[in-house]
Amino acid sequence: DAGVTQSPTHLIKTRGQHVTLRCSPISGHKSVSWYQQVLGQGPQFIFQYYEKEERGRGNFPDRFSARQFPNYSSELNVNALLLGDSALYLCASSPDSNYGYTFGSGTRLTIV
Amino acid sequence: GQQLNQSPQSMFIQEGEDVSMNCTSSSIFNTWLWYKQDPGEGPVLLIALYKAGELTSNGRLTAQFGITRKDSFLNISASIPSDVGIYFCAGQFSSGTYKYIFGTGTRLKVLA
Repeated sequence: DAGVTQSPTHLIKTRGQHVTLRCSPISGHKSVSWYQQVLGQGPQFIFQYYEKEERGRGNFPDRFSARQFPNYSSELNVNALLLGDSALYLCASSPDSNYGYTFGSGTRLTIV
Repeated sequence: GQQLNQSPQSMFIQEGEDVSMNCTSSSIFNTWLWYKQDPGEGPVLLIALYKAGELTSNGRLTAQFGITRKDSFLNISASIPSDVGIYFCAGQFSSGTYKYIFGTGTRLKVLA
């Protein structure tokens, strides 16, 4: 069975641009979460969606937004990119909120 | 961003030795998770703990949910070279909240 898949795997953008990252959860998983992992640190929670509704949001500016589609896949959008947005963006899925998450391999975003 | 305290920050051990690491919080958690992350990959779930005092094993790995609900411990017995990586703990405040707080990580290196 396919795990959590994320695309693209790597991306380079310039400051001020916009980016869309995509995630397909494990089949049957209805919950998708997004995390940002800066080099040398643990993942930081950005968003969680369950059944297409936002159920949680971390301490990130409004430049970050996300949505979940009817097939439970998800997109993370970041506007007006800053150098500090350079990080590994991880998507994770679970059957519901009360189980541990399965993470994808992430999208490495570099802002220049 | 908020992160849990993990110790030790890094450790070098000989193959065959046992390893212990822990994670502490100033807040009470209802769920503790332990993940391992290899370079360039997303975290992989090792053990999930759902009840104070719970002791759970997964092969050579054993983790415990601290009785105060503010800490958790991970032990690895008879370490092997493939145990190398970064180990993260993650805590969830309560069921139904969808945000996991991750620790700062313990970097493990195994010397053959």
